Amino acid sequence: ILNVEQSPQSLHVQEGDSTNFTCSFPSSNFYALHWYRWETAKSPEALFVMTLNGDEKKKGRISATLNTKEGYSYLYIKGSQPEDSATYLCAFYPGATISGNTPLVFGKGTRLSVIA
Amino acid sequence: GAVVSQHPSRVICKSGTSVKIECRSLDFQATTMFWYRQFPKQSLMLMATSNEGSKATYEQGVEKDKFLINHASLTLSTLTVTSAHPEDSSFYICSAPSRGLRATDTQYFGPGTRLTVL
Repeated sequence: ILNVEQSPQSLHVQEGDSTNFTCSFPSSNFYALHWYRWETAKSPEALFVMTLNGDEKKKGRISATLNTKEGYSYLYIKGSQPEDSATYLCAFYPGATISGNTPLVFGKGTRLSVIA
Repeated sequence: GAVVSQHPSRVICKSGTSVKIECRSLDFQATTMFWYRQFPKQSLMLMATSNEGSKATYEQGVEKDKFLINHASLTLSTLTVTSAHPEDSSFYICSAPSRGLRATDTQYFGPGTRLTVL
């Protein structure tokens, strides 16, 4: 069974603080890693899709890095704002399952609360 | 960006009744849609892949006769939970890929449906 681990489970930071969290995934048979941002009562929103070892992607104050050899990705938020409060999900793409489906395998998420 | 809607957002029903959840791609066509389920404090788990014009394919352990999926058009997939029981209470969410089924294709998600079976 493929396992995607995210840590920490939850995080409280003060406005203006920078923060980061981790996604660990199986390093063998890697295809892609996705990061999503999920605000309460809204749809998860895609942040990044990463494929190459050493890849670094940035979107405003949010950036992510990828290490496929050791099986981890970091998500960084610089100068956290209250509107960054959300659950951040990572999802690993392992290729087709026995059923022939091509699902993303999700972690449980990191819940970020930014206190003003 | 692409938008996926899901209806209803919340449903409470009695044990033994059937519940239909709709997932619509509003501004793009989706030949494939995915249905996930999330139990409290757990991750999103794929239940089945819905294919337009053909039968859905189900993940191991998901009963196809209990979770009926119909993908009759390029913009609509429905999940019917038949004879729902309290253990089916969960958060159900659908997604559709932006283009195809490649590893790099972004998934667009609906907002989800909270099902409570009394």
